[in-house]
Amino acid sequence: DTEVTQTPKHLVMGMTNKKSLKCEQHMGHRAMYWYKQKAKKPPELMFVYSYEKLSINESVPSRFSPECPNSSLLNLHLHALQPEDSALYLCASSQERRLNTGELFFGEGSRLTVL
Amino acid sequence: AQSVTQLDSQVPVFEEAPVELRCNYSSSVSVYLFWYVQYPNQGLQLLLKYLSGSTLVKGINGFEAEFNKSQTSFHLRKPSVHISDTAEYFCAVCMIYNQGGKLIFGQGTELSVKP
Repeated sequence: DTEVTQTPKHLVMGMTNKKSLKCEQHMGHRAMYWYKQKAKKPPELMFVYSYEKLSINESVPSRFSPECPNSSLLNLHLHALQPEDSALYLCASSQERRLNTGELFFGEGSRLTVL
Repeated sequence: AQSVTQLDSQVPVFEEAPVELRCNYSSSVSVYLFWYVQYPNQGLQLLLKYLSGSTLVKGINGFEAEFNKSQTSFHLRKPSVHISDTAEYFCAVCMIYNQGGKLIFGQGTELSVKP
């Protein structure tokens, strides 16, 4: 099983809502990532967890709050978002953060629309 | 500063023709190199990777790439493309630091294969 599973696939929310994106992997990977991707652009790194600890926060606004409950799960909590936050949110995992054993495995993404 | 440049934003090509997608990088530290493909409404999938060893790397779906250290390039090639190869292609470079790796994506090349 080499899948990274993301739910929901689509999410529409208002600017006052609170919602969460979920990501799960069962490959035994110890690093997990959140990326944001706008249309026709490359993914932009948001957060990196390594061994369940937050190791990189790319100066992401506090309305995005990551959580890593265990080594297989990664959540992204959303609150008071802006319309410009509408994007495809991609979760990824890798065996180690150094990537010396290979690549990132990506989920199919959660497409978020903020009204 | 580290950077990745994909020289062509769009590459139109006819079916069964050869194609080359160009990627150059700039880095003051050691790197690992990757090509990812993104089909419409999907996440990213690894095509191939260079970590060490032979500079000619073969990947999935008939793609190959050659690492040229002197020219800091990692161009992607396929001798005969299919309609199904129509997608966005991202070159990515992992800069190796003591604290771990950081993946930097190029801006992407949209490959459009026409019948």
